[in-house]
Amino acid sequence: GAVVSQHPSWVICKSGTSVKIECRSLDFQATTMFWYRQFPKQSLMLMATSNEGSKATYEQGVEKDKFLINHASLTLSTLTVTSAHPEDSSFYICSALADYYEQYFGPGTRLTVT
Amino acid sequence: DAKTTQPPSMDCAEGRAANLPCNHSTISGNEYVYWYRQIHSQGPQYIIHGLKNNETNEMASLIITEDRKSSTLILPHATLRDTAVYYCIVRAYGGATNKLIFGTGTLLAVQP
Repeated sequence: GAVVSQHPSWVICKSGTSVKIECRSLDFQATTMFWYRQFPKQSLMLMATSNEGSKATYEQGVEKDKFLINHASLTLSTLTVTSAHPEDSSFYICSALADYYEQYFGPGTRLTVT
Repeated sequence: DAKTTQPPSMDCAEGRAANLPCNHSTISGNEYVYWYRQIHSQGPQYIIHGLKNNETNEMASLIITEDRKSSTLILPHATLRDTAVYYCIVRAYGGATNKLIFGTGTLLAVQP
């Protein structure tokens, strides 16, 4: 099956700094990728839809200036959490659309802001 | 996309079949039923999907009622590694946004 990777798998950063998370489709091209956030004991919450070569579409309530998404190539999308605060600590998961229909998920990135 | 209702948790004995129900009474004619699962601290894993016919693959079987208002995911011989949160999602196939919206899912605990 299609493989999606994320880097890093976990990161610890200090409050006020920015952190970048990468999402790569390893064996297919993905014009569309999605970013999710998951807090402990909760379900996945869709944050935004990332389209190659265009601006991301953010879900209601998600701050686009805080969560910067760049999808510069057909195999890479990045999520940058700017001026991170402890409440941004979460599990961030990306998925990539392998063809017009099916999504494959990355393993997730655990972000801890101290 | 239609919303789904799943029991919050279920137990199953190892080696037995696990039957996970899902209600989707407001499903539209062009919406498919998808099942994903998430093992603790990992990304979701696709299991199976269907429109109206029953489907089977190497992982599971999907039984959809004739009126399509509910479905059941069947893991024929559950193992400890099947312990996970199982999500039932309905969405239009190849829809304009292709978004998957996750509900609360069912935590399946497979007991030895």
